[in-house]
Amino acid sequence: QSVLTQPPSVSEAPRQRVTISCSGSSSNVGNNAVDWYQQVPGKAPKLLIYYDDLLPSGVSDRFSGSKSGTSASLAISGLQAEDEADYYCAVWDDSLNGPVFGGGTKLTVL
Amino acid sequence: EVQLLESGGGLVRPGGSLRLSCGASGFTISTYAMSWVRQAPGKGLEWVSGISGSGGTTYYAVSVKGRFTISRDNAKNTLYLQMNSLGAEDTAVYYCAKKSNSDYYDSGGYYTSDFDSWGQGTLVSVSS
Repeated sequence: QSVLTQPPSVSEAPRQRVTISCSGSSSNVGNNAVDWYQQVPGKAPKLLIYYDDLLPSGVSDRFSGSKSGTSASLAISGLQAEDEADYYCAVWDDSLNGPVFGGGTKLTVL
Repeated sequence: EVQLLESGGGLVRPGGSLRLSCGASGFTISTYAMSWVRQAPGKGLEWVSGISGSGGTTYYAVSVKGRFTISRDNAKNTLYLQMNSLGAEDTAVYYCAKKSNSDYYDSGGYYTSDFDSWGQGTLVSVSS
């Protein structure tokens, strides 16, 4: 049971927009920088968003991140079949003195 | 090009030990914070341990503290994870991950966990 709560799954049609939430507390999301990772089954995770809302070089601008208080969100616009993957939020937890990952959200593009 | 290559995984009996290695190329590990992250079969990601770029600070998840030790050999540009007293709950793919900078603490007054490069993982199976 992670200290970060994500919906287990979300689904949306191609070309639509979807958001994935990540709910935490003042000891993690509310006090530190949130990152988002994409993991295609059988592959290593890939950094999608860092420092709450920054895009690493090479990542499509269809991906965006935001944070408000103790909750963060990942938005994906213009959904494509290749976006089907598991998505994880991650953030340092001050109480645990280390990073924690959310439970992950499986995105299905209908 | 940054590359991370894990090795050392395998089948080990409960209570046994294993040492994982992560060979780095394309960058110098002593200038970046590094971590180990694992993923049990069919489960999500779990951070295991981290080390600062200076090597002066190490971090461990509660689930492995006292059993696992992270270290590195700067001359070999290699990160290690010594795992002792292994149990079935440690069965997972273990990934080596490089952070984007040398520390987990940002001068802005907050901690960060942005791992911009990952290895392909090595499987550790603990079973009798």
